[in-house]
Amino acid sequence: GAGVSQSPSNKVTEKGKDVELRCDPISGHTALYWYRQSLGQGLEFLIYFQGNSAPDKSGLPSDRFSAERTGGSVSTLTIQRTQQEDSAVYLCASSLAAIGGGTEAFFGQGTRLTVV
Amino acid sequence: AQSVAQPEDQVNVAEGNPLTVKCTYSVSGNPYLFWYVQYPNRGLQFLLKYITGDNLVKGSYGFEAEFNKSQTSFHLKKPSALVSDSALYFCAVVRGYSTLTFGKGTMLLVSP
Repeated sequence: GAGVSQSPSNKVTEKGKDVELRCDPISGHTALYWYRQSLGQGLEFLIYFQGNSAPDKSGLPSDRFSAERTGGSVSTLTIQRTQQEDSAVYLCASSLAAIGGGTEAFFGQGTRLTVV
Repeated sequence: AQSVAQPEDQVNVAEGNPLTVKCTYSVSGNPYLFWYVQYPNRGLQFLLKYITGDNLVKGSYGFEAEFNKSQTSFHLKKPSALVSDSALYFCAVVRGYSTLTFGKGTMLLVSP
């Protein structure tokens, strides 16, 4: 497809387990973003990748969260030792270039994570 | 710090009437502003953006937004609302060079 693809669409996990969320950006997009959407917090920035530059990790809420982007394309967001407060929708987005240049970001449909 | 505010949690409008969803911003320098829409169980869809130039920006699905520097606002408008416009709308501003800071969202409900 032509859009940002995220998998799985839904994930239920037990507290304390690790989870991996996957994002396939639009082909050719150099920038990739992860956001978290929850009822109490709205849309929170998590991490940003741009080409081969070091990622901007300033939004990661704790050291249980990490992300990588392999080959400048697919990205994986990993949450270790999940907690109930990690329950949210995790959204991935990509853009042709950095949005600071005025390029819009395109979002995937998200992964709904439920920690029980 | 760059931020946006959406003062209304919900906006109700009758089909066929004009709609406005409000957004104000607080930035240093010239803002890059965006509107996104989210339908139930879907990701965010880009509607329009203001970077520079004309203060009236036209976007997808008949939406437009007016950039007003003196009032630091970027309100989303549509001349005639449709029931299918019912969704959650987010205003956003570019923070730094790499990320978007979003408002808390406004739920638009269009009644038949």
